Amino acid sequence: DAGITQSPRHKVTETGTPVTLRCHQTENHRYMYWYRQDPGHGLRLIHYSYGVKDTDKGEVSDGYSVSRSKTEDFLLTLESATSSQTSVYFCAISEREGPDTQYFGPGTRLTVL
Amino acid sequence: AQSVTQLDSQVPVFEEAPVELRCNYSSSVSVYLFWYVQYPNQGLQLLLKYLSGSTLVESINGFEAEFNKSQTSFHLRKPSVHISDTAEYFCAVRNTGFQKLVFGTGTRLLVSP
Repeated sequence: DAGITQSPRHKVTETGTPVTLRCHQTENHRYMYWYRQDPGHGLRLIHYSYGVKDTDKGEVSDGYSVSRSKTEDFLLTLESATSSQTSVYFCAISEREGPDTQYFGPGTRLTVL
Repeated sequence: AQSVTQLDSQVPVFEEAPVELRCNYSSSVSVYLFWYVQYPNQGLQLLLKYLSGSTLVESINGFEAEFNKSQTSFHLRKPSVHISDTAEYFCAVRNTGFQKLVFGTGTRLLVSP
């Protein structure tokens, strides 16, 4: 299995509070991704990174920001959490451009009350 | 924009019966195609992928999928399912030249004795 960890694995928070989720990889892969998984929607891309300090938006980026100061860490921040951001969040990594496989972390279940 | 359709949200089947999980995508441009499997409370694992070459691809656990360009489909099949195949299956598509992976909404395969 690809070396990907996510922390925390579960979090319950209140509306309006800031939340940061962490993805850590030990594979030295260049690309990292954040997805959210919701029933009836599958997985949707929030943000991705193609290198240290290089990030871009996905299809559902509103309300989220990301940072990547080191190859191994990709942080997802909800500046002011809302109930609509209750979801399961997955981090993924891939090594290079082209037809490369994305490998997924175990996920973080976030509940915003 | 690319989109992926998995028409069946749930497929119940008896053990040792054959199964087909359907996947259609919208764009006819050159694509890479993937099937991922998600077991309960886990992240996604790559099941198989089509990049180029032979249109029939196989996984190590007996699943196969066939790329049909004219019908823009990538259906997943298994001739005889096991209880352990119970999981959610996601089809995903990526246009060549782009990093973003687009997922379908998933099909839950329920195998009963």
